[in-house]
Amino acid sequence: NAGVTQTPKFRILKIGQSMTLQCTQDMNHNYMYWYRQDPGMGLKLIYYSVGAGITDKGEVPNGYNVSRSTTEDFPLRLELAAPSQTSVYFCASRGQGNSPLHFGNGTRLTVT
Amino acid sequence: TQLLEQSPQFLSIQEGENLTVYCNSSSVFSSLQWYRQEPGEGPVLLVTVVTGGEVKKLKRLTFQFGDARKDSSLHITAAQPGDTGLYLCAGANVNYGGSQGNLIFGKGTKLSVKP
Repeated sequence: NAGVTQTPKFRILKIGQSMTLQCTQDMNHNYMYWYRQDPGMGLKLIYYSVGAGITDKGEVPNGYNVSRSTTEDFPLRLELAAPSQTSVYFCASRGQGNSPLHFGNGTRLTVT
Repeated sequence: TQLLEQSPQFLSIQEGENLTVYCNSSSVFSSLQWYRQEPGEGPVLLVTVVTGGEVKKLKRLTFQFGDARKDSSLHITAAQPGDTGLYLCAGANVNYGGSQGNLIFGKGTKLSVKP
């Protein structure tokens, strides 16, 4: 059972470049999330989705976009990369009710 | 804005020692989750506490949810090097089961257990 799969694991971008971080889950979870994790700062919610076709902003959405065309996939798009977006990005999913998050193994992004 | 204060931020101890990590808020949460994260990996759930005053044990780890559901603690007895990692608490708001449900994460406690 693969769970939540994120690609790529590492990426270096130049300022102004764009990229898409991929996330897919095989647990048929409705809820999906994107977090960024900076040293000593915990996890900050970027965007989330409660089902296919529905997305909403989290705490730090500026500079990012998402889409949710299928239950399985929840890609995160960076249009104009900035050094402030250097971080580790985690995708997560969960089932209904009080169920916990299942995380991918993260994408480490450096913008120089 | 709901906040979760986690302390201490760093903890370095010898194998065999006991330790407690605290997670405090002025807000009430419907439930609280504890995760452990190892380098290069995503957080993995350890436990969920739901009822005020609840105590859950997971081998040498004891989790407690405050009576008012505003705080929680994680106690590790006789720590081992395998316990090394980042421990994160996360509070679920009252809408967690519905369309606006999100988790509020603490900043984490980085634990190092030396042999």
